[in-house]
Amino acid sequence: GEDVEQSLFLSVREGDSSVINCTYTDSSSTYLYWYKQEPGAGLQLLTYIFSNMDMKQDQRLTVLLNKKDKHLSLRIADTQTGDSAIYFCAENGTGTASKLTFGTGTRLQVTL
Amino acid sequence: DGGITQSPKYLFRKEGQNVTLSCEQNLNHDAMYWYRQDPGQGLRLIYYSQIVNDFQKGDIAEGYSVSREKKESFPLTVTSAQKNPTAFYLCASSISRGDEKLFFGSGTQLSVL
Repeated sequence: GEDVEQSLFLSVREGDSSVINCTYTDSSSTYLYWYKQEPGAGLQLLTYIFSNMDMKQDQRLTVLLNKKDKHLSLRIADTQTGDSAIYFCAENGTGTASKLTFGTGTRLQVTL
Repeated sequence: DGGITQSPKYLFRKEGQNVTLSCEQNLNHDAMYWYRQDPGQGLRLIYYSQIVNDFQKGDIAEGYSVSREKKESFPLTVTSAQKNPTAFYLCASSISRGDEKLFFGSGTQLSVL
């Protein structure tokens, strides 16, 4: 079945860039997503990329997709304390209606 | 404001008891979903519904039941058959079938007494 993997924890200093990585196994994914979860809350869609793209930029966020290696990354420029959260990548695998497979989530800690 | 409301925020279940988690949306979305989140794990899909009066099992449906009698509402019942119910439960919706841009509620933490 589909598998999505992320490292569990990342710590960065305020003002630095954060890079959160994700690998997936299903080559039929058409969209890949990044969601953010703040403590005790639901997930919020941050950004997504279509599988025929290799980069997407949205303000401080840059998504890079290496389809050959099945590797997705999220770069957050000028990381702020408000960026502290858990970040999930997700892929739609077979494309079956809304059957997203989520990674384990990466907890981003921003220190002063 | 449009959104998804889950209640209660915290819920405690006694052994052998069924409990129901509420999920209501006023986004006029057709599709609704229930996910379970355990610490250090990704979200796992319990049930989803693409239209009123229809729902499908997700990856971990055993011990759970749902109904979709109204477009706005998708309650989840955790039955006594679910032996390990302690988790954070998230409800989500999307505009339509096949749209994976999910909008999430703020979650219900279920614990066993």
